[in-house]
Amino acid sequence: AQSVTQPDIHITVSEGASLELRCNYSYGATPYLFWYVQSPGQGLQLLLKYFSGDTLVQGIKGFEAEFKRSQSSFNLRKPSVHWSDAAEYFCAVGARGATNKLIFGTGTLLAVQP
Amino acid sequence: SQTIHQWPATLVQPVGSPLSLECTVEGTSNPNLYWYRQAAGRGLQLLFYSVGIGQISSEVPQNLSASRPQDRQFILSSKKLLLSDSGFYLCAWSGKGHYGYTFGSGTRLTVV
Repeated sequence: AQSVTQPDIHITVSEGASLELRCNYSYGATPYLFWYVQSPGQGLQLLLKYFSGDTLVQGIKGFEAEFKRSQSSFNLRKPSVHWSDAAEYFCAVGARGATNKLIFGTGTLLAVQP
Repeated sequence: SQTIHQWPATLVQPVGSPLSLECTVEGTSNPNLYWYRQAAGRGLQLLFYSVGIGQISSEVPQNLSASRPQDRQFILSSKKLLLSDSGFYLCAWSGKGHYGYTFGSGTRLTVV
């Protein structure tokens, strides 16, 4: 069965600094990989996804993520963080099949200092 | 365009009372539908999913049930709520291809 680990529960960065959020997955084959963002009290919004092909994927709001098969990782990056990026970020892995089930990590809460 | 509606936004219910949360999708047909529960520090836990009318799969044993009476309607229910049922409930839909989910805005349930 697939699983996702987000080792950082909480991260604080200064506005304008670079950001990297870690995500490690466990799955027997090449998975579908996703990053979502959640503002307080809201649903989740899809930032980006990886299915196949180019291992560096671009998403909305200036985010990107890199799939590294050898490390079973799919880390999220942004070169310069804005105060509006403060939110909770979730990595998810999906198995290939008809149900499209996604398994989510426990999330990383990002705080942005002025 | 497709939209997903989830209501109510907040709900406070006494222990032992029934529950009904509704989720509807517009602008698509035959979607996959999902109910997740989010508890602090525990991420999102998949509760139920449905690939078609009347087809419900449960991921974890619990006090809740789900139904899909119409193609684009997904209902989460309980006959008697427990304190442990408190949480943030999210409905989501996806197409048959794996393009990710679209989530509703969630329901904050507090059982008192």
